[in-house]
Amino acid sequence: GDSVTQMEGPVTLSEEAFLTINCTYTATGYPSLFWYVQYPGEGLQLLLKATKADDKGSNKGFEATYRKETTSFHLEKGSVQVSDSAVYFCALSDGAGGSYIPTFGRGTSLIVHP
Amino acid sequence: GAGVSQSPRYKVAKRGQDVALRCDPISGHVSLFWYQQALGQGPEFLTYFQNEAQLDKSGLPSDRFFAERPEGSVSTLKIQRTQQEDSAVYLCASSMGTGGRNEKLFFGSGTQLSVL
Repeated sequence: GDSVTQMEGPVTLSEEAFLTINCTYTATGYPSLFWYVQYPGEGLQLLLKATKADDKGSNKGFEATYRKETTSFHLEKGSVQVSDSAVYFCALSDGAGGSYIPTFGRGTSLIVHP
Repeated sequence: GAGVSQSPRYKVAKRGQDVALRCDPISGHVSLFWYQQALGQGPEFLTYFQNEAQLDKSGLPSDRFFAERPEGSVSTLKIQRTQQEDSAVYLCASSMGTGGRNEKLFFGSGTQLSVL
């Protein structure tokens, strides 16, 4: 079955540091890949997505590139801010079994200090 | 409404009690998903509706769990005879279309269920 593996958190950084959160996946079909973010007290919201190999999704300074050869979709940001503190979820959707039910990773907590 | 709304925000139940969790999706959204999120874990799929039809309930952990969406809008997740292992955050999400590969999900803030 489909699965998503994320690096364990929390990831603790100082403001303006470089961020990488690793995500690898196993999929039956050809998935679309997503990063969702959950700020404290709020619901998950889509951060970015990529739908085919070598596509780069980007939003709010975050980027992730769909790497089919390594089955990875690592999230990066060049300079984090305190306001980026949140939980980040990697997810995939590939239609295995006939319907597109997104599968999520366990989430990685990011804490950014001033 | 502006977003997906879930109620109650918090629910404390005694073991053996029945509970009902409500989800109001974004108006006009065709697809509705329920997920269960245990502490420190990611969302785990429970069930999926397309309008009023429940197309996938493969994630429901036991026959104590039941979901409905009778008019294709509001959905209710019911848990009968709650057990301690049911303690989790229950997330509802909706999407505009019929659940395609690239579809964006809109999530509610969840209902945190604690079974004592």
